[in-house]
Amino acid sequence: AQSVSQHNHHVILSEAASLELGCNYSYGGTVNLFWYVQYPGQHLQLLLKYFSGDPLVKGIKGFEAEFIKSKFSFNLRKPSVQWSDTAEYFCAVNLSGNTPLVFGKGTRLSVIA
Amino acid sequence: ETGVTQSPTHLIKTRGQQVTLRCSSQSGHNTVSWYQQALGQGPQFIFQYYREEENGRGNFPPRFSGLQFPNYSSELNVNALELDDSALYLCASSEVRTGTGSGYTFGSGTRLTVV
Repeated sequence: AQSVSQHNHHVILSEAASLELGCNYSYGGTVNLFWYVQYPGQHLQLLLKYFSGDPLVKGIKGFEAEFIKSKFSFNLRKPSVQWSDTAEYFCAVNLSGNTPLVFGKGTRLSVIA
Repeated sequence: ETGVTQSPTHLIKTRGQQVTLRCSSQSGHNTVSWYQQALGQGPQFIFQYYREEENGRGNFPPRFSGLQFPNYSSELNVNALELDDSALYLCASSEVRTGTGSGYTFGSGTRLTVV
């Protein structure tokens, strides 16, 4: 069965610091990869997704992620975080367009002034 | 385009009772999935419906059941509620496409508290 591991439970950063959130998945076949964000009291929103092609994916709000197949990783990055990035971040994977998403446990990001 | 809407937003039920949660899919989406998000956890897949038929199920007991209607809206029913069923229940809709997968659109969820 597929599984997704997010290494950090809670990350605290100062504004303007760089961000990298780790995500590893366990599945040897072709996967689709996603990062979702959940702001306090709001629904899950898609930040970015990878299906194929360029392994460096750019998403909304200045986020990007790099798919490294040999490491089964899909880490999320942002060069300079803002206070408004405070949220819960979830990495997810599925096998094709109509298969369910498998989520990691999430990483809570707190950005302080 | 309309998003995914869920109702109710909050619900309190007593152990042993039954509950029905509702979801309206995003316009044009024919697949709906339900997830349970316990406090401090990532969403866990419950089941998925495509064209009114269940076509995938996670590790949840049969007292979790669902329906999808011709207009692609959906219900999640939970019988014999247990305290551990307290969670945020998320509905997600998607459009099946050939080849690459499409993204999922999530609703804001229903917060169920079982007392």
